[in-house]
Amino acid sequence: EAGVTQFPSHSVIEKGQTVTLRCDPISGHDNLYWYRRVMGKEIKFLLHFVKESKQDESGMPNNRFLAERTGGTYSTLKVQPAELEDSGVYFCASSQILPGAHYSYNEQFFGPGTRLTVL
Amino acid sequence: AQSVTQLDSHVSVSEGTPVLLRCNYSSSYSPSLFWYVQHPNKGLQLLLKYTSAATLVKGINGFEAEFKKSETSFHLTKPSAHMSDAAEYFCVVSDGTGGFKTIFGAGTRLFVKA
Repeated sequence: EAGVTQFPSHSVIEKGQTVTLRCDPISGHDNLYWYRRVMGKEIKFLLHFVKESKQDESGMPNNRFLAERTGGTYSTLKVQPAELEDSGVYFCASSQILPGAHYSYNEQFFGPGTRLTVL
Repeated sequence: AQSVTQLDSHVSVSEGTPVLLRCNYSSSYSPSLFWYVQHPNKGLQLLLKYTSAATLVKGINGFEAEFKKSETSFHLTKPSAHMSDAAEYFCVVSDGTGGFKTIFGAGTRLFVKA
């Protein structure tokens, strides 16, 4: 079974440009999460999809970030326009919806991350 | 409000000696607690999780953690370190209330000396 995949693995862009990160969750996983780790800081929650719906986007830094999950399969995270402080590693994770269990108890499977550098 | 504190940013042990990675948490509700490990250029991998069942939780690769409510701790241990254990370890808390709130600790980097 394939794990969570993310593309690209690395991206280097200039301030003001646009970048789109992609995440392919494990097949059948309805929960999809985005996280970010800025250098030297903790991993921070960005948002959570259940299928194609945004369940919680309270962690999104500002309106320069747009996440989508059309069709409830893969997800994209677009940063437009990118700023220097957006540099970091962006992780995606997915998990199943298990009957009778709150989704926060379910194991999340993480992708390897996309390292974004904004110059 | 939830919070997680990993008490050591770096831990160095010799191969074959015990490992202790410390984690304290704060949660208003009964939390779920997790330990994840990240090896270089890999995604985070779940080591173990506590979800209000047994307080002593056994995970993969010989790791275990004990949930101590009175001390609000969830320390990760392993009796004997192996070179392959060198990685970064994250303590994570989720209290399962209302929306989805998962808080990561800052991470502890484990070095294993031969």
